Amino acid sequence: SQTIHQWPATLVQPVGSPLSLECTVEGTSNPNLYWYRQAAGRGLQLLFYSVGIGQISSEVPQNLSASRPQDRQFILSSKKLLLSDSGFYLCAWSLDDVGSYGYTFGSGTRLTVV
Amino acid sequence: KQEVTQIPAALSVPEGENLVLNCSFTDSAIYNLQWFRQDPGKGLTSLLLIQSSQREQTSGRLNASLDKSSGRSTLYIAASQPGDSATYLCAPATTGGSYIPTFGRGTSLIVHP
Repeated sequence: SQTIHQWPATLVQPVGSPLSLECTVEGTSNPNLYWYRQAAGRGLQLLFYSVGIGQISSEVPQNLSASRPQDRQFILSSKKLLLSDSGFYLCAWSLDDVGSYGYTFGSGTRLTVV
Repeated sequence: KQEVTQIPAALSVPEGENLVLNCSFTDSAIYNLQWFRQDPGKGLTSLLLIQSSQREQTSGRLNASLDKSSGRSTLYIAASQPGDSATYLCAPATTGGSYIPTFGRGTSLIVHP
């Protein structure tokens, strides 16, 4: 069966520090991968998605970047965090481009920038 | 652009009631619609996935219906329990381009013992 791992679960970082959040999927090949952010009291915001290694689409211009160095690994990064980067970051995957099995989410990372 | 509305935004009920959560969307050209549950501080858990060719899906006390032509989906929760307290989100996925569902803001449910 497929599983998705996301870490760390919580993170407190000072303003101006770098960020690296990692997401990995097991049990499938060539998944579509996604990064979302959920700010307090707001809905889910799609940040990046990837349909293959090295293929990244950005939905919102901001202080973040994403990379997919391996088939089942998706990394969210920042060189210098801002206070506004605080939020709940969620990774998700889907099997194909028609949603045969829908979306599966990871457990999320709570990021607090201080 | 797909727009998703969930009504009500919040709901507080006593244990045992049968509940109806509504989701409406503006673009009926969808691959499917998925219902999720989110507990406070946690990730989203998939409850039900309804493909565009289907009218409903059932899992235990949960039943979700889909009326694609009118842009509506309904999640029924039978005999609600305190453990059902969570935020429920619906997410239709519009056809064309990559598979990217659009999420509603959710219905926050509290079930009192």
